[in-house]
Amino acid sequence: AQSVTQLDSHVSVSEGTPVLLRCNYSSSYSPSLFWYVQHPNKGLQLLLKYTSAATLVKGINGFEAEFKKSETSFHLTKPSAHMSDAAEYFCVVSDGSNYQLIWGAGTKLIIKP
Amino acid sequence: DADVTQTPRNRITKTGKRIMLECSQTKGHDRMYWYRQDPGLGLRLIYYSFDVKDINKGEISDGYSVSRQAQAKFSLSLESAIPNQTALYFCATSDYWTGRTGELFFGEGSRLTVL
Repeated sequence: AQSVTQLDSHVSVSEGTPVLLRCNYSSSYSPSLFWYVQHPNKGLQLLLKYTSAATLVKGINGFEAEFKKSETSFHLTKPSAHMSDAAEYFCVVSDGSNYQLIWGAGTKLIIKP
Repeated sequence: DADVTQTPRNRITKTGKRIMLECSQTKGHDRMYWYRQDPGLGLRLIYYSFDVKDINKGEISDGYSVSRQAQAKFSLSLESAIPNQTALYFCATSDYWTGRTGELFFGEGSRLTVL
């Protein structure tokens, strides 16, 4: 069975400092992994995805994530936080079937001025 | 205009009432999904449809029903709403290729409160 664990429910950083949102997964298959972002009162948007190509994946708005099979992790990072990054971020795992997405519980990113 | 439109965006109703949430899309995708979001639980799949004649139950379909009226329209019904169905509901779409890689396109959500 697949599962995904987001290790922090809230992360607070100051504007201009690095962001790290942590995600561990469990999968019996070669997984595809995703980060989605949800801004307040908005729908969800794909931030980036890993589908067995390069292990370091670059996404929109300066975010990137590294797939580490040995650690079963897919942490999301950004070198310098911006106020507009304040949102909820979801780590998602897929086994490649058309509907079976397993969602993490989400991490709220708070940016302090 | 949004590619995936949900109506209503907000609804307050009473226990026992029938509620319908509607979703329409202009992306031309054949696959449509209904998810429910609860704080601290992420998203959970209620129903999904791969084409007009294909409807499938998801993880939490009890108490819900759906109708795929056309390729572009997918509605979710609560026949007799109960308070624990208070949640944020999302409609999403994909085509075959984006669906296989997990990329979904979401509406802005319908917030339902059942008193």
